[in-house]
Amino acid sequence: NAGVTQTPKFQVLKTGQSMTLQCAQDMNHEYMSWYRQDPGMGLRLIHYSVGAGITDQGEVPNGYNVSRSTTEDFPLRLLSAAPSQTSVYFCASSYRHQGGSGTEAFFGQGTRLTVV
Amino acid sequence: GENVEQHPSTLSVQEGDSAVIKCTYSDSASNYFPWYKQELGKRPQLIIDIRSNVGEKKDQRIAVTLNKTAKHFSLHITETQPEDSAVYFCAAPLTGGGNKLTFGTGTQLKVEL
Repeated sequence: NAGVTQTPKFQVLKTGQSMTLQCAQDMNHEYMSWYRQDPGMGLRLIHYSVGAGITDQGEVPNGYNVSRSTTEDFPLRLLSAAPSQTSVYFCASSYRHQGGSGTEAFFGQGTRLTVV
Repeated sequence: GENVEQHPSTLSVQEGDSAVIKCTYSDSASNYFPWYKQELGKRPQLIIDIRSNVGEKKDQRIAVTLNKTAKHFSLHITETQPEDSAVYFCAAPLTGGGNKLTFGTGTQLKVEL
């Protein structure tokens, strides 16, 4: 198993450009999430999905879109990049707990994005 | 939604000493509390988690305690080693239960020889 795979690892964008961060998992997990990590602020949830065709907003969704057409893939789209979106982005997946509680989140290796 | 506060932001201990990191949460419906370790330049990885139906969980040198009345949970690392040096994050469900997590701001642990 490759686990959670993110591409690219590094990216530099100009202000106003758009791009898609790719995320794929091969563990057949129902849940997938996108987080951004900024110094001193921990990880903040951008968007979340509980299964194919179902997405939900997290804490900081503005400026980002997601879709989940398959169980395996959960791409994150930056519509019009801004310097405030300079961050490290992590994708994560997890399985559904029978009792509705949480379970371990498996993270990808991260994408370091710089917007100039 | 849930709000998680984590303290301290930095912690320095001597090798062999114990380290304790504390988090408080606001939503009494939260039922899952994981701890993640992140080494420099690496991805976060789960080290231990606890569900709200138990008060303590141990895994070798690591333990987590949960006080639902006071709404706080703590990570305890005993006999610290240099490889324990990393950033540690606590988390809780953003709303009620499930895997939609909100994280604390992290604790930089440094274990000195």
